Amino acid sequence: SQQGEEDPQALSIQEGENATMNCSYKTSINNLQWYRQNSGRGLVHLILIRSNEREKHSGRLRVTLDTSKKSSSLLITASRAADTASYFCALPRANSKLTFGKGITLSVRP
Amino acid sequence: KAGVTQTPRYLIKTRGQQVTLSCSPISGHRSVSWYQQTPGQGLQFLFEYFSETQRNKGNFPGRFSGRQFSNSRSEMNVSTLELGDSALYLCASSPSAEFYNEQFFGPGTRLTVL
Repeated sequence: SQQGEEDPQALSIQEGENATMNCSYKTSINNLQWYRQNSGRGLVHLILIRSNEREKHSGRLRVTLDTSKKSSSLLITASRAADTASYFCALPRANSKLTFGKGITLSVRP
Repeated sequence: KAGVTQTPRYLIKTRGQQVTLSCSPISGHRSVSWYQQTPGQGLQFLFEYFSETQRNKGNFPGRFSGRQFSNSRSEMNVSTLELGDSALYLCASSPSAEFYNEQFFGPGTRLTVL
């Protein structure tokens, strides 16, 4: 399979807690990207981590990549109700632009 | 810069009809890709255009087609609509043809086929 698989499928946390989401893949990658989608709307690019990078930060987001384990994790710190959304890991492929996993539904309770 | 725009935002059609969706990429972006999102199949790549040429096509029947104009605007067409074509259709643009670039998505067109 050329797409990533996210885990867990759904996550429910309290506001202020951290949320950790994982993505595993099977083939080599150029980079791995995380996107957010709010309730059936367009996707928003969150962060891109290249295959030679191990960790990247953007605001409250921290992404790690372990190419030996073919896995990535997205950490959202100090979550807010506005973080409630679906999160996707996406793998760029030469013949299909981006391939997406099924996504993770994150609910942040106020 | 203005973001990716898609028109119309919502569309209701009946089986057998055809539909045309439009996408205007971010100014200066020459690559436009289309995706279909359904609850069952998730996000699936439809096709990609760059400089008015289709570069890649996903695993969809010939009823799905598209084109890109010289100003990089793109349209996709679905003929002989089926109930299963009901989906959110997303358009994304990127500055160049490199497959590994981040994509900038539009808000989508929600198509309902009755």
